[in-house]
Amino acid sequence: GQQLNQSPQSMFIQEGEDVSMNCTSSSIFNTWLWYKQDPGEGPVLLIALYKAGELTSNGRLTAQFGITRKDSFLNISASIPSDVGIYFCAGRSNFGNEKLTFGTGTRLTIIP
Amino acid sequence: SQTIHQWPATLVQPVGSPLSLECTVEGTSNPNLYWYRQAAGRGLQLLFYSVGIGQISSEVPQNLSASRPQDRQFILSSKKLLLSDSGFYLCAWKWAGDTQYFGPGTRLTVL
Repeated sequence: GQQLNQSPQSMFIQEGEDVSMNCTSSSIFNTWLWYKQDPGEGPVLLIALYKAGELTSNGRLTAQFGITRKDSFLNISASIPSDVGIYFCAGRSNFGNEKLTFGTGTRLTIIP
Repeated sequence: SQTIHQWPATLVQPVGSPLSLECTVEGTSNPNLYWYRQAAGRGLQLLFYSVGIGQISSEVPQNLSASRPQDRQFILSSKKLLLSDSGFYLCAWKWAGDTQYFGPGTRLTVL
């Protein structure tokens, strides 16, 4: 089945630092999505990407759809305490029109 | 606007007992509906999805079943819970496009 490798698995940073995480796939994806999950809650959509090479921002967040269509990255600039949580990438390939494949998540912790 | 509800929010059940988790969506018609399970500190595992009333696709053979008795209602059930059924259960919906929107989740603990 489809697999998404998401890295890093966890990050420990200081407030104000920039963050970068990425997802790679063994196959081509037509859509990339980035979600954030706070403890005990459902994931919330951050950014959706639909075209290869697309670069989209949402406030301090920027995500890109890789040119090869097999990867995507998410950057967070000037991190703040509320950025803590688990970030998931998700993608839709040609073979799962009604389904998304999710990455394993990146847990972001901010060190005081 | 669309809203998705899940209940109960938390549930503690003994091994061997039945299970019924409910998900309802407001503000949209004929959505795709999804059930995911998330083990502690882990990613999302798709369990079932439905593209219409009475249409259920199972992704992982297991102790659970799903039903969609109404357009905006999705139910996750089990006749006899196992310890391994513990986890955080998330319902999601989508209508057009690929973006899925998640509910608040149900935390299930099987003892």
